[in-house]
Amino acid sequence: EAGVTQFPSHSVIEKGQTVTLRCDPISGHDNLYWYRRVMGKEIKFLLHFVKESKQDESGMPNNRFLAERTGGTYSTLKVQPAELEDSGVYFCASSQAGWGGEQFFGPGTRLTVL
Amino acid sequence: GEDVEQSLFLSVREGDSSVINCTYTDSSSTYLYWYKQEPGAGLQLLTYIFSNMDMKQDQRLTVLLNKKDKHLSLRIADTQTGDSAIYFCAEVEGFKTIFGAGTRLFVKA
Repeated sequence: EAGVTQFPSHSVIEKGQTVTLRCDPISGHDNLYWYRRVMGKEIKFLLHFVKESKQDESGMPNNRFLAERTGGTYSTLKVQPAELEDSGVYFCASSQAGWGGEQFFGPGTRLTVL
Repeated sequence: GEDVEQSLFLSVREGDSSVINCTYTDSSSTYLYWYKQEPGAGLQLLTYIFSNMDMKQDQRLTVLLNKKDKHLSLRIADTQTGDSAIYFCAEVEGFKTIFGAGTRLFVKA
């Protein structure tokens, strides 16, 4: 069974540009999460989808970040316009329906904003 | 509040034991986790412990939990160079996983 996949693995953009990150969860997983690790600090929760609905987006830093999960399958996270402080590693995770299930993490996308 | 703290670096010699410590704040966490991130790779769930347990052993890994002090530790016996990685302590609050900043383990040959 394929794990969580993320694309691209690495993105380098200039300040002010737009970047879209993609996450494909494990097939059949209703829950999808985005996290990020900035400047070697702790990995922070961004948001949680249940199918196509945003269940909790309390961790989204500001309105330059937009996450979507149309159709309840893959998800995208768009940063527009990107700022220097957005540099970091963005992780996606998925889990089965219900509470307390193990979250399976993807390899992450390393975003560098110059 | 959500806060998981752990030391940032640990250096050990190959063959020695490594102990990585962590403190957490949410006493209602049902599970506490240790994740491993190797260079260039994603997060791998290494082991976890239920909050009603004091200890869990899995081959070279031993997890100790002190609920009273909200202290979690991960002991790696006979540490190998392949154990060099960042180790993240984490607790779950609802659907959120709350991570520490990660402990970078250096293993000297």
